[in-house]
Amino acid sequence: DAKTTQPTSMDCAEGRAANLPCNHSTISGNEYVYWYRQIHSQGPQYIIHGLKNNETNEMASLIITEDRKSSTLILPHATLRDTAVYYCIVSSGGGADGLTFGKGTHLIIQP
Amino acid sequence: GAVVSQHPSRVICKSGTSVKIECRSLDFQATTMFWYRQFPKQSLMLMATSNEGSKATYEQGVEKDKFLINHASLTLSTLTVTSAHPEDSSFYICSASGLAGGFAGELFFGEGSRLTVL
Repeated sequence: DAKTTQPTSMDCAEGRAANLPCNHSTISGNEYVYWYRQIHSQGPQYIIHGLKNNETNEMASLIITEDRKSSTLILPHATLRDTAVYYCIVSSGGGADGLTFGKGTHLIIQP
Repeated sequence: GAVVSQHPSRVICKSGTSVKIECRSLDFQATTMFWYRQFPKQSLMLMATSNEGSKATYEQGVEKDKFLINHASLTLSTLTVTSAHPEDSSFYICSASGLAGGFAGELFFGEGSRLTVL
């Protein structure tokens, strides 16, 4: 699976949009981009995933660049409960093959 | 969404004893289950993959005789840490993959089990 690069930490004000970047310049054509988050001392939680097109669900939006070498996860109206470590993962097998977690971005929502 | 439950959530044991952690998929059949380990302030590390009815596949560097994995049914996998030592103290997380109404290959995670070996 391709490797990803994320900032170590980010701050965002409560109520504002949180934009979390991820670089995956070695992504291959059959690999999806997945985002999970982990709130302290809990198991990871699935957020969203995509292949080429931008995706949106009730939790977040995923913007993938046209060359697929980077993506941005957007939390439109961040709340204090969104404070967590966010993991960007690229994989062709998805959950069926397990996922390899990098170090992620520690997002801190400030009141 | 689908639910994966782990038990116990916290366990403290003496050095040299064995500890069993259970992982159950509550509302779907998990064809594949994964076990991860997470040390403080570090990311999750995949330990092993297990398919129901077959032997687990361990990642490089993970001792199969120390971390015994059993996946006897489509809803239950167990991880037994044998002869635990303080360096085995960690957060152990299971995940399950199966057709649970989500997308194919979606991975559902348990709440994690924190093991402390004295």
